[in-house]
Formats: sequence, C-alpha cells, structure tokens
Amino acid sequence: AQTVTQSQPEMSVQEAETVTLSCTYDTSENNYYLFWYKQPPSRQMILVIRQEAYKQQNATENRFSVNFQKAAKSFSLKISDSQLGDTAMYFCASHDSNYQLIWGAGTKLIIKP
Amino acid sequence: SQTIHQWPATLVQPVGSPLSLECTVEGTSNPNLYWYRQAAGRGLQLLFYSIGIDQISSEVPQNLSASRPQDRQFILSSKKLLLSDSGFYLCAFDRGLSYEQYFGPGTRLTVT
Repeated sequence: AQTVTQSQPEMSVQEAETVTLSCTYDTSENNYYLFWYKQPPSRQMILVIRQEAYKQQNATENRFSVNFQKAAKSFSLKISDSQLGDTAMYFCASHDSNYQLIWGAGTKLIIKP
Repeated sequence: SQTIHQWPATLVQPVGSPLSLECTVEGTSNPNLYWYRQAAGRGLQLLFYSIGIDQISSEVPQNLSASRPQDRQFILSSKKLLLSDSGFYLCAFDRGLSYEQYFGPGTRLTVT
C-alpha cells in the first residue's frame, strides 16, 4: 500500500525567510501524481502545487516550488519569501491507482512577524 | 469554472439524532466525489468516494452512509449520531484527469 510520510509535525520561521517542508512517499506505481495542499485556520483545503512523476522538471507556482527526487521518493515543498498568510497546515499527498489520494499527517507551519 | 458547495457550515446535534450533510458541484460533469473527516490538528480520513451515480465505496465501517442522488450531488447521512462522529467534514471532487482534488469549505459537526 502507498504511504506518505511528513516527518516535521511543526515548523516556524521568520517572515521573509525561506522554509522547506519534507515529504517522502512509497509507491509501486510507475506513473503517479504528487500534491501539496495548504489548510489555513479557516480550514479550507487549498491545492498549492502538483507534480507529475514522469516530468523531471520540478513544479513551480510563484513563491512555491518543489524538489522532486524520484529515486529517493522525496517530494519537498520550498516556500520562498514567506508571508504571514502562509501560516497553515501543509499536507503532502500522492495518488494511487484506486481513485484515492494518500495523505501525510501534515506539518503545521507558523510564520512569525 | 468549477465550484463546490457544502452545507451547513456548522452543526450541533444531540447524540442519537439523524444527520444529513450536502455537497454539490458546479461547472463539471461526472466528477469523482469524496467525503473526508478530519479531527482537530490531524490529517484527513477518507470516508466514502463515488465514481458515478449508484457507485459508492466505503472506506471505514461506521454508522455513516453516503448517497449520490444526482451526478453532482453527494450526501453524507447518519440515522443515529454518536459522540465520536464529531469532527470536521470535507467534501471534495476531482475530474479524474490529473487526480487533484478540490475541496468544499467544510462542515464543523459537534455531537453533544
């Protein structure tokens, strides 16, 4: 069965700093998708970025980028120039072949002013 | 553009009472639909998913049930709520293309 592991329960950084959230996964699929979701205090779940496993280029969305290491099964999220609005729970997820997303336990990120 | 609606936003119900949470999707047809539950500060637990009308899969045995009376409508129900049913319920959909899921605003359920 697929698993997704986020080893950092909580992190905090100063505003404007760069922060990297870690995620590792395990899958037997050859082609799959990986996602990072953000859940702010409002609890609305928001898609931040996605990566297709067959693409070697790391995905980027404005200040958010990923470091996808397929051989190591690692999928970390880098947030540059962090802002107070980035304070949220961040969830890593992978897609398996059964219509389901497999979710990590989440990392609570606090951006300090 | 696609949107997803979920209601009510907040619900307080006594133990033993029935439950009905509704989710509707606009702007897309034949979506895959999902119900999740999330305890405070925790990850997501998949409860049900549906790839079409009358095609609903249950992931966790419990006193909850789901129905899909229309293509873009997904309902979560219970005949008798338990205290352990308290939590934050999220509805989501995907279009089955790249598997990214889009979420509704959620329902905070408190069973007293």
